[in-house]
Amino acid sequence: GQQLNQSPQSMFIQEGEDVSMNCTSSSIFNTWLWYKQEPGEGPVLLIALYKAGELTSNGRLTAQFGITRKDSFLNISASIPSDVGIYFCAGPLSGTYKYIFGTGTRLKVLA
Amino acid sequence: EPEVTQTPSHQVTQMGQEVILRCVPISNHLYFYWYRQILGQKVEFLVSFYNNEISEKSEIFDDQFSVERPDGSNFTLKIRSTKLEDSAMYFCASSGPGYEQYFGPGTRLTVT
Repeated sequence: GQQLNQSPQSMFIQEGEDVSMNCTSSSIFNTWLWYKQEPGEGPVLLIALYKAGELTSNGRLTAQFGITRKDSFLNISASIPSDVGIYFCAGPLSGTYKYIFGTGTRLKVLA
Repeated sequence: EPEVTQTPSHQVTQMGQEVILRCVPISNHLYFYWYRQILGQKVEFLVSFYNNEISEKSEIFDDQFSVERPDGSNFTLKIRSTKLEDSAMYFCASSGPGYEQYFGPGTRLTVT
């Protein structure tokens, strides 16, 4: 079935460093969503992207909708300890409300 | 700020028993969803619901599962005869009219 692959699978970084992660698909998406999940909690929506090439920020987070529409990128600047969690990309299959979630990037920040 | 709520937070049930998980979506949303997340794995789509009927479902959502919106606020997921492999976190979400989906805190289902 349809899969969204995220890389890296996990990251260990120092506080203050910038972080980049990406999400790729074999088929086109018209909407990309980025979520953060902390242990024992539900995913929290960070950023939504609707147009190819779109760049959207939410505080220290910036996400981009890839121009091929088959990928998306999330950057976190000046990471802090509370950025720890799993970051998921997601999107609805074209023309549907059936959402696919990525495999996740686990982020750990060392103080 | 409006949020999705779910009850109970943790449900323990015996194999073969029926279980109902409950959700109250965000009040002006139009689309409702259930997802499953087995520990340490990715979030898996189960079903989407719009205008009082299922709009899409995954291959996981077989005849053992059903959803209902019994009134104007609640949205439920029923598992008729639970199996050990149904143990997971179950998340409710809502959206609409756009595609931005908001999740509840989840119900941890443990089948023994």
